[in-house]
Amino acid sequence: AQKVTQAQTEISVVEKEDVTLDCVYETRDTTYYLFWYKQPPSGELVFLIRRNSFDEQNEISGRYSWNFQKSTSSFNFTITASQVVDSAVYFCRSNYKLTFGKGTLLTVNP
Amino acid sequence: DVKVTQSSRYLVKRTGEKVFLECVQDMDHENMFWYRQDPGLGLRLIYFSYDVKMKEKGDIPEGYSVSREKKERFSLILESASTNQTSMYLCASRPTGWEDTGELFFGEGSRLTVL
Repeated sequence: AQKVTQAQTEISVVEKEDVTLDCVYETRDTTYYLFWYKQPPSGELVFLIRRNSFDEQNEISGRYSWNFQKSTSSFNFTITASQVVDSAVYFCRSNYKLTFGKGTLLTVNP
Repeated sequence: DVKVTQSSRYLVKRTGEKVFLECVQDMDHENMFWYRQDPGLGLRLIYFSYDVKMKEKGDIPEGYSVSREKKERFSLILESASTNQTSMYLCASRPTGWEDTGELFFGEGSRLTVL
């Protein structure tokens, strides 16, 4: 089955540490899309990024960066110099059947 | 800004009650979705709708039904609530058509407790 795997259930870091959240996907399609969402304690999921299968360029947005590697079927998310406000559940998603990974709970401690 | 509004943030119901969860979006999106979120299981798709009066089953439709009489409103119905339906329910909408290339816009969620 095509699916998304987030192997890290919970991660805890100290503020200013860098942290990488892993996402591994399975697909038989040549064209596909991958997404990351953030769910803060308030509950509402917030869209962070979309990547299509033809664009393997890494993306950087402030302290956030994403590494898309088709060779390893991974779409990993790195937060540089983490802050307490980064504490949230982060979900990776593919466009196959609107499937989400199970999420990674990130806790950034002061 | 896109706004997806879920009518109730917290609900407590009794086993066997009929429960309605309402979701309204204000950006004329064609697609709407209902997910439930449980610890360790992530988000699981219950039902979705590509247009008014259209509905499609997701991964876990058993025990649920939906209604989409107007474009902006998508209701999730628990005909006879059970304790295993205690969960966080998330509604989402999306402006694209059949091809899933767009982001989903989520509401704040409705936390349902069934006693």
